[in-house]
Amino acid sequence: EAQVTQNPRYLITVTGKKLTVTCSQNMNHEYMSWYRQDPGLGLRQIYYSMNVEVTDKGDVPEGYKVSRKEKRNFPLILESPSPNQTSLYFCASSLVEDTEAFFGQGTRLTVV
Amino acid sequence: LAKTTQPISMDSYEGQEVNITCSHNNIATNDYITWYQQFPSQGPRFIIQGYKTKVTNEVASLFIPADRKSSTLSLPRVSLSDTAVYYCLVGDTGGFKTIFGAGTRLFVKA
Repeated sequence: EAQVTQNPRYLITVTGKKLTVTCSQNMNHEYMSWYRQDPGLGLRQIYYSMNVEVTDKGDVPEGYKVSRKEKRNFPLILESPSPNQTSLYFCASSLVEDTEAFFGQGTRLTVV
Repeated sequence: LAKTTQPISMDSYEGQEVNITCSHNNIATNDYITWYQQFPSQGPRFIIQGYKTKVTNEVASLFIPADRKSSTLSLPRVSLSDTAVYYCLVGDTGGFKTIFGAGTRLFVKA
């Protein structure tokens, strides 16, 4: 089944403790992206990747890192999480830039 | 990236046709119009994409006038399970590097 898989689905952590949210897609898509969704603010893009080793900042990249060492994986790294990064995170992928995006099920992160 | 304007919310009843209009006055020549559906705590799901005139698939139709400054998503005979947020996106990508605004919250009543 074609899908985008995020792990974990839920995470509670403490301020400053590094964490990684994984994202994997099995559709051989070129493009991958991370979004965060907060009440009243819609989805905001954090980072995106157009291919292996090619990444770029989205609208809200501060406090996040990404890497794209393999085509199928696009992990989101929070080196020193803070409470304002408490949010619902979505990973997405698409075959090429102008085709539909497929989204993961989301990761609900709480930083205390 | 073109800015879009949609109604914040809409109510409907089961079995009715629902039309959600999106305004995008600054749409560029290369821009597509794409609609996504999102249920609570789930990722958005692609519904339909078009460039001009009319596009129809198994779940919806998309009407785009000649000037392309607006578009209308039409959902035929909605059911309770169509209660969701619907996003109109305009850009030269299908959902990539595209701004998801607040969307339209559709509530379908029995």
